[in-house]
Amino acid sequence: GENVEQHPSTLSVQEGDSAVIKCTYSDSASNYFPWYKQELGKRPQLIIDIRSNVGEKKDQRIAVTLNKTAKHFSLHITETQPEDSAVYFCAARTMEYGNKLVFGAGTILRVKS
Amino acid sequence: KAGVTQTPRYLIKTRGQQVTLSCSPISGHRSVSWYQQTPGQGLQFLFEYFSETQRNKGNFPGRFSGRQFSNSRSEMNVSTLELGDSALYLCASTAGGGLNTEAFFGQGTRLTVV
Repeated sequence: GENVEQHPSTLSVQEGDSAVIKCTYSDSASNYFPWYKQELGKRPQLIIDIRSNVGEKKDQRIAVTLNKTAKHFSLHITETQPEDSAVYFCAARTMEYGNKLVFGAGTILRVKS
Repeated sequence: KAGVTQTPRYLIKTRGQQVTLSCSPISGHRSVSWYQQTPGQGLQFLFEYFSETQRNKGNFPGRFSGRQFSNSRSEMNVSTLELGDSALYLCASTAGGGLNTEAFFGQGTRLTVV
């Protein structure tokens, strides 16, 4: 089955700097890759997603890139702000398994002001 | 549009007991998936229900079961609770049989087994 690895496990950046989180997946049939942000005590919320027919997607300060050949995808946050501090999860979904999401272990992002 | 609603928010149970958790998806959504979240294991997929049928199942023991009703509301049940079942249980609602659509999470049920 699918396996998703996520790095780094923790990331500290200065306010205004960029943050990059990387994930690799194992199943070449995976075709949907969402990123979730989870603040302490709250539900995971989708911040951006990308489908396998697209290489890059941007939404204001957030971007995701996908390299299908290498089977990895990355989250880029520019001009980080203290409110970006949270746990970020990448995930992968394979058509064969319906809406099942396989998650990475998560990255704790701390933005220091 | 109301979001995904999970009840109860918190539960404390004793080892050996059983528990039932409820999830009401977004109106019109037909797929409900359940996940267990723990500090050590992250988010682990339990099962998915679509149109009252279990479509996928994760690697959890048979003590974990679920069902979905005709109004798409779903319940999951854990029997013979163990201390290791203490976790945040999240459900996610997805629009339908079409794939590649966003999953919306509920607030979760925090289960503590003592």
